[in-house]
Amino acid sequence: GNSVTQMEGPVTLSEEAFLTINCTYTATGYPSLFWYVQYPGEGLQLLLKATKADDKGSNKGFEATYRKETTSFHLEKGSVQVSDSAVYFCALSDPEDDKIIFGKGTRLHILP
Amino acid sequence: NAGVMQNPRHLVRRRGQEARLRCSPMKGHSHVYWYRQLPEEGLKFMVYLQKENIIDESGMPKERFSAEFPKEGPSILRIQQVVRGDSAAYFCASSPGEYGNQPQHFGDGTRLSIL
Repeated sequence: GNSVTQMEGPVTLSEEAFLTINCTYTATGYPSLFWYVQYPGEGLQLLLKATKADDKGSNKGFEATYRKETTSFHLEKGSVQVSDSAVYFCALSDPEDDKIIFGKGTRLHILP
Repeated sequence: NAGVMQNPRHLVRRRGQEARLRCSPMKGHSHVYWYRQLPEEGLKFMVYLQKENIIDESGMPKERFSAEFPKEGPSILRIQQVVRGDSAAYFCASSPGEYGNQPQHFGDGTRLSIL
């Protein structure tokens, strides 16, 4: 079945540091891949997405590239801010059904 | 606010009571999804509904839990005879549904606490 595995947190970085959150997936078809962000006390917000191999999704300085050969969709940001502190979820959607499968989330703390 | 609306934001129930969680999808969206999030965990799919139809309830416990999405009004997730283990955040999402791979838009969730 489909699944998503992402690095466990918490991840603690200083402001302006480089961020990588690893995400790998298993899927039977050709899924779309997503990163969602959850700020404290709120629901999930779509951060970025990629729908086919080699696509790069980007938003708010974050980016992730759909790598079919390594079944990965790692999230990166060149210089993090305190306001980026949140929980980040990697997810996939199989075109055969409309369910989205989430990873367990990675909590990110950015220190000023 | 044209987003997904959930209410209440917080709900407290005693063991054995019923909990009703409501979700109004985004305007124009006909597909609703319910997820449960336990502390420090990701979201687990529960049920997927279209208007008046349950499409997939594979993630929903067989007993005490039910969901509906009537022709008029919000989608309701109902938990009967609640137990401590039902304490969680319950999120609703909606999508237009015409095509696959539509990113779902999420509400802010209902945080259910069982005393």
